Amino acid sequence: EAGVAQSPRYKIIEKRQSVAFWCNPISGHATLYWYQQILGQGPKLLIQFQNNGVVDDSQLPKDRFSAERLKGVDSTLKIQPAKLEDSAVYLCASSLGTGGFSEQFFGPGTRLTVL
Amino acid sequence: QQQVKQSPQSLIVQKGGISIINCAYENTAFDYFPWYQQFPGKGPALLIAIRPDVSEKKEGRFTISFNKSAKQFSLHIMDSQPGDSATYFCAASKRGSTLGRLYFGRGTQLTVWP
Repeated sequence: EAGVAQSPRYKIIEKRQSVAFWCNPISGHATLYWYQQILGQGPKLLIQFQNNGVVDDSQLPKDRFSAERLKGVDSTLKIQPAKLEDSAVYLCASSLGTGGFSEQFFGPGTRLTVL
Repeated sequence: QQQVKQSPQSLIVQKGGISIINCAYENTAFDYFPWYQQFPGKGPALLIAIRPDVSEKKEGRFTISFNKSAKQFSLHIMDSQPGDSATYFCAASKRGSTLGRLYFGRGTQLTVWP
């Protein structure tokens, strides 16, 4: 079974530039999560999708971050404009269901460096 | 506000020794406590998990001990091996919640010397 795919793996941009990350979850997984992992910290949930609907975006900085999940499968996370403090690894995860607890499977992440 | 507090930040253990990582939480609504293992360049992977209706769960060399009254839980790695060198995260969630959000600790970087 293929795991969660993410691209790109690395990205370096200047502050105030825009960047987008892509995630392809495990086939059949209804729930998709985006996490931000700052160096030396645990992952922090940014947004959670159930199929193509948002169920939790309470921690998403909506003035600069946006995310969508097309047709309930792939997802993109965008930052516009980027700030220095956005430097982090952005992890995508997926699970078969939601709540109850359905195990989350993580992708390898995209390491973003904002200069 | 850190929902789950984890210690130590780093741990160095001799091969064959016991590695112990501790976590504490405040929210009594949490009812699912997983541990994740993360190798460099990889995403976290579920290692072992426990519910609060049991005090201990063992899977091979990995054991979770849970103290509900103290709101603490810990991971014990017996006979630690160099291949166990990784970052370990404890987490907590409300299993009954429709959202199932995971709250992670800050992580413990474990190094096992051969």
